Amino acid sequence: QVQLQESGPGLVKPSGTLSLTCAVSGASISSNNWWTWVRQPPGKGLEWIGEMYHSGSPNSSPSLKSRVTISVDTSKNQFSLQLSSVTDADTAVYYCVKGGGWRFDPWGQGTLVIVSS
Amino acid sequence: QSALTQPASVSGSPGQSITISCTGTTSDLGGQDHVAWYQQHPGKAPKLMIYDVTNRPSGVSHRFSGSKSGNTASLTVSGLQAEDEADYYCTSYTSTSTWVFGGGTRLTVL
Repeated sequence: QVQLQESGPGLVKPSGTLSLTCAVSGASISSNNWWTWVRQPPGKGLEWIGEMYHSGSPNSSPSLKSRVTISVDTSKNQFSLQLSSVTDADTAVYYCVKGGGWRFDPWGQGTLVIVSS
Repeated sequence: QSALTQPASVSGSPGQSITISCTGTTSDLGGQDHVAWYQQHPGKAPKLMIYDVTNRPSGVSHRFSGSKSGNTASLTVSGLQAEDEADYYCTSYTSTSTWVFGGGTRLTVL
Protein backbone atom coordinates (compact mmCIF):
# COMPACT_ATOMS: atom_id res chain seq x y z
CA GLN A 1 0.00 0.00 0.00
CA VAL A 2 1.53 3.28 -1.12
CA GLN A 3 1.59 6.08 1.44
CA LEU A 4 2.80 9.65 1.17
CA GLN A 5 3.61 12.08 3.98
CA GLU A 6 4.32 15.78 3.60
CA SER A 7 6.66 17.64 5.92
CA GLY A 8 8.05 21.15 6.18
CA PRO A 9 7.59 24.52 7.88
CA GLY A 10 4.02 25.59 8.48
CA LEU A 11 4.88 29.28 8.39
CA VAL A 12 6.85 31.12 5.71
CA LYS A 13 7.59 34.83 5.51
CA PRO A 14 6.44 36.87 2.50
CA SER A 15 9.04 36.94 -0.29
CA GLY A 16 10.63 33.83 1.18
CA THR A 17 10.81 30.31 -0.21
CA LEU A 18 8.36 27.55 0.71
CA SER A 19 10.06 24.15 0.97
CA LEU A 20 8.21 20.87 1.43
CA THR A 21 9.24 17.24 1.28
CA CYS A 22 7.12 14.18 0.60
CA ALA A 23 8.26 10.83 1.97
CA VAL A 24 7.04 7.87 -0.07
CA SER A 25 6.54 4.39 1.38
CA GLY A 26 5.25 1.25 -0.29
CA ALA A 27 6.63 2.22 -3.70
CA SER A 28 9.96 3.15 -5.18
CA ILE A 29 10.39 6.75 -6.22
CA SER A 30 12.14 5.31 -9.27
CA SER A 31 9.05 3.41 -10.39
CA ASN A 32 6.89 4.35 -13.37
CA ASN A 33 5.02 7.18 -11.68
CA TRP A 34 4.75 10.96 -11.75
CA TRP A 35 5.34 12.53 -8.34
CA THR A 36 2.94 15.44 -8.05
CA TRP A 37 2.13 18.48 -5.93
CA VAL A 38 -1.40 19.94 -5.61
CA ARG A 39 -2.49 22.80 -3.36
CA GLN A 40 -5.77 24.11 -1.95
CA PRO A 41 -6.14 27.61 -0.50
CA PRO A 42 -8.45 27.74 2.54
CA GLY A 43 -12.06 27.40 1.43
CA LYS A 44 -11.13 27.17 -2.25
CA GLY A 45 -10.57 24.55 -4.92
CA LEU A 46 -7.67 22.36 -5.93
CA GLU A 47 -4.77 23.67 -8.02
CA TRP A 48 -2.22 21.47 -9.80
CA ILE A 49 1.29 22.76 -9.12
CA GLY A 50 3.47 20.34 -11.02
CA GLU A 51 4.94 16.86 -11.32
CA MET A 52 8.18 15.06 -11.92
CA TYR A 53 9.24 11.66 -13.14
CA HIS A 54 12.24 10.16 -11.34
CA SER A 55 14.36 10.89 -14.38
CA GLY A 56 13.63 13.83 -16.62
CA SER A 57 12.39 17.37 -16.53
CA PRO A 58 9.49 18.40 -14.34
CA ASN A 59 6.22 19.80 -15.66
CA SER A 60 4.57 22.67 -13.82
CA SER A 61 1.60 24.99 -14.02
CA PRO A 62 2.22 27.90 -16.39
CA SER A 63 1.06 30.31 -13.69
CA LEU A 64 3.65 29.04 -11.20
CA LYS A 65 6.40 27.80 -13.51
CA SER A 66 8.81 30.67 -12.85
CA ARG A 67 8.70 30.08 -9.08
CA VAL A 68 8.43 26.28 -8.81
CA THR A 69 11.19 23.71 -8.41
CA ILE A 70 10.33 20.03 -8.04
CA SER A 71 13.04 17.48 -7.40
CA VAL A 72 13.36 13.78 -6.62
CA ASP A 73 15.80 12.17 -4.15
CA THR A 74 16.05 8.50 -5.03
CA SER A 75 18.42 7.77 -2.13
CA LYS A 76 15.77 8.87 0.39
CA ASN A 77 12.73 7.77 -1.63
CA GLN A 78 11.23 11.23 -1.41
CA PHE A 79 10.47 14.24 -3.56
CA SER A 80 10.37 17.94 -2.84
CA LEU A 81 8.73 21.21 -3.73
CA GLN A 82 10.23 24.67 -3.55
CA LEU A 83 8.12 27.75 -4.27
CA SER A 84 9.97 31.04 -4.29
CA SER A 85 8.87 34.64 -3.74
CA VAL A 86 5.77 33.61 -1.81
CA THR A 87 2.86 35.95 -1.03
CA ASP A 88 -0.39 35.65 0.92
CA ALA A 89 -1.91 34.00 -2.16
CA ASP A 90 0.36 30.99 -1.62
CA THR A 91 -1.23 30.19 1.74
CA ALA A 92 -2.77 26.77 1.23
CA VAL A 93 -2.88 23.11 2.16
CA TYR A 94 -0.20 21.43 0.05
CA TYR A 95 -0.71 17.80 -0.98
CA CYS A 96 1.82 15.42 -2.43
CA VAL A 97 0.29 12.80 -4.69
CA LYS A 98 1.32 9.76 -6.70
CA GLY A 99 0.50 10.32 -10.36
CA GLY A 100 0.72 7.85 -13.20
CA GLY A 101 -1.85 5.88 -15.12
CA TRP A 102 -3.55 9.22 -15.77
CA ARG A 103 -4.79 9.56 -12.22
CA PHE A 104 -3.76 11.01 -8.86
CA ASP A 105 -3.83 8.24 -6.26
CA PRO A 106 -3.11 8.10 -3.41
CA TRP A 107 -2.81 11.53 -1.80
CA GLY A 108 -0.86 12.55 1.27
CA GLN A 109 -2.84 13.93 4.19
CA GLY A 110 -1.81 17.49 3.28
CA THR A 111 0.08 20.14 5.17
CA LEU A 112 -1.03 23.72 5.78
CA VAL A 113 1.49 26.40 4.91
CA ILE A 114 0.72 29.96 5.97
CA VAL A 115 2.54 32.92 4.45
CA SER A 116 2.77 35.64 7.05
CA SER A 117 5.28 37.94 8.65
CA GLN B 1 -4.90 27.78 -18.65
CA SER B 2 -8.38 28.32 -17.22
CA ALA B 3 -10.01 26.06 -14.70
CA LEU B 4 -12.67 23.65 -15.88
CA THR B 5 -16.22 24.85 -15.20
CA GLN B 6 -18.35 23.05 -12.62
CA PRO B 7 -21.60 24.10 -10.93
CA ALA B 8 -20.98 25.47 -7.45
CA SER B 9 -23.54 23.19 -5.88
CA VAL B 10 -25.99 20.37 -6.54
CA SER B 11 -28.37 18.62 -4.21
CA GLY B 12 -30.59 15.59 -4.06
CA SER B 13 -32.59 13.47 -1.66
CA PRO B 14 -31.49 10.05 -0.44
CA GLY B 15 -32.07 7.42 -3.10
CA GLN B 16 -32.18 9.92 -5.96
CA SER B 17 -29.55 10.38 -8.68
CA ILE B 18 -27.60 13.54 -9.41
CA THR B 19 -25.21 14.55 -12.15
CA ILE B 20 -22.31 16.99 -11.89
CA SER B 21 -21.03 18.54 -15.10
CA CYS B 22 -17.50 19.64 -15.94
CA THR B 23 -16.92 21.78 -19.02
CA GLY B 24 -13.61 22.45 -20.70
CA THR B 25 -12.23 23.11 -24.15
CA THR B 26 -10.74 21.17 -27.04
CA SER B 27 -7.32 21.90 -25.48
CA ASP B 28 -8.12 19.83 -22.43
CA LEU B 29 -11.21 17.79 -21.66
CA GLY B 30 -12.57 17.82 -25.21
CA GLY B 31 -9.29 16.73 -26.76
CA GLN B 32 -8.57 13.51 -24.89
CA ASP B 33 -10.01 11.02 -22.43
CA HIS B 34 -7.78 11.56 -19.38
CA VAL B 35 -10.52 12.98 -17.18
CA ALA B 36 -10.81 12.08 -13.51
CA TRP B 37 -13.11 12.87 -10.60
CA TYR B 38 -12.20 13.27 -6.93
CA GLN B 39 -14.36 13.32 -3.79
CA GLN B 40 -13.28 15.43 -0.82
CA HIS B 41 -14.89 15.39 2.59
CA PRO B 42 -14.23 18.38 4.90
CA GLY B 43 -10.74 18.37 6.34
CA LYS B 44 -9.73 15.29 4.34
CA ALA B 45 -7.54 14.65 1.33
CA PRO B 46 -9.27 14.10 -2.02
CA LYS B 47 -10.11 10.54 -3.04
CA LEU B 48 -10.04 9.21 -6.61
CA MET B 49 -13.53 8.16 -7.76
CA ILE B 50 -13.32 7.94 -11.57
CA TYR B 51 -10.38 8.03 -14.03
CA ASP B 52 -10.10 8.01 -17.81
CA VAL B 53 -13.69 9.27 -18.05
CA THR B 54 -15.45 6.05 -17.07
CA ASN B 55 -13.11 3.82 -15.06
CA ARG B 56 -13.83 3.16 -11.41
CA PRO B 57 -10.93 2.17 -9.09
CA SER B 58 -11.45 -0.93 -7.00
CA GLY B 59 -13.25 -0.12 -3.79
CA VAL B 60 -15.30 2.73 -5.23
CA SER B 61 -19.05 2.13 -5.18
CA HIS B 62 -20.80 1.18 -8.42
CA ARG B 63 -23.18 4.05 -7.67
CA PHE B 64 -20.54 6.40 -9.11
CA SER B 65 -20.21 6.59 -12.88
CA GLY B 66 -18.60 8.91 -15.40
CA SER B 67 -19.20 9.93 -18.99
CA LYS B 68 -18.13 12.51 -21.54
CA SER B 69 -19.63 14.20 -24.57
CA GLY B 70 -17.67 16.76 -26.52
CA ASN B 71 -16.17 19.31 -24.13
CA THR B 72 -18.27 18.26 -21.15
CA ALA B 73 -17.66 15.41 -18.72
CA SER B 74 -20.19 14.27 -16.15
CA LEU B 75 -20.18 12.41 -12.85
CA THR B 76 -23.40 10.66 -11.89
CA VAL B 77 -24.12 9.47 -8.36
CA SER B 78 -27.09 7.15 -8.14
CA GLY B 79 -28.92 5.99 -5.05
CA LEU B 80 -27.71 9.00 -3.07
CA GLN B 81 -26.58 8.29 0.46
CA ALA B 82 -25.74 10.67 3.29
CA GLU B 83 -22.06 9.71 3.05
CA ASP B 84 -21.94 11.05 -0.53
CA GLU B 85 -22.23 14.61 0.76
CA ALA B 86 -18.87 16.13 -0.13
CA ASP B 87 -17.04 18.35 -2.61
CA TYR B 88 -16.33 16.88 -6.04
CA TYR B 89 -13.59 17.99 -8.42
CA CYS B 90 -12.98 17.08 -12.02
CA THR B 91 -9.56 17.23 -13.62
CA SER B 92 -8.25 16.85 -17.15
CA TYR B 93 -4.90 16.44 -18.83
CA THR B 94 -4.19 19.19 -21.34
CA SER B 95 -2.57 19.60 -24.75
CA THR B 96 0.41 21.33 -23.09
CA SER B 97 1.18 18.32 -20.85
CA THR B 98 -0.25 19.91 -17.73
CA TRP B 99 -3.30 19.18 -15.58
CA VAL B 100 -6.23 21.47 -14.82
CA PHE B 101 -8.89 21.11 -12.12
CA GLY B 102 -12.47 22.25 -12.05
CA GLY B 103 -13.58 24.75 -9.43
CA GLY B 104 -15.39 22.09 -7.43
CA THR B 105 -19.03 21.23 -6.73
CA ARG B 106 -20.58 20.90 -3.28
CA LEU B 107 -23.02 17.96 -3.20
CA THR B 108 -25.67 18.26 -0.51
CA VAL B 109 -27.85 15.29 0.42
CA LEU B 110 -31.15 16.74 1.61
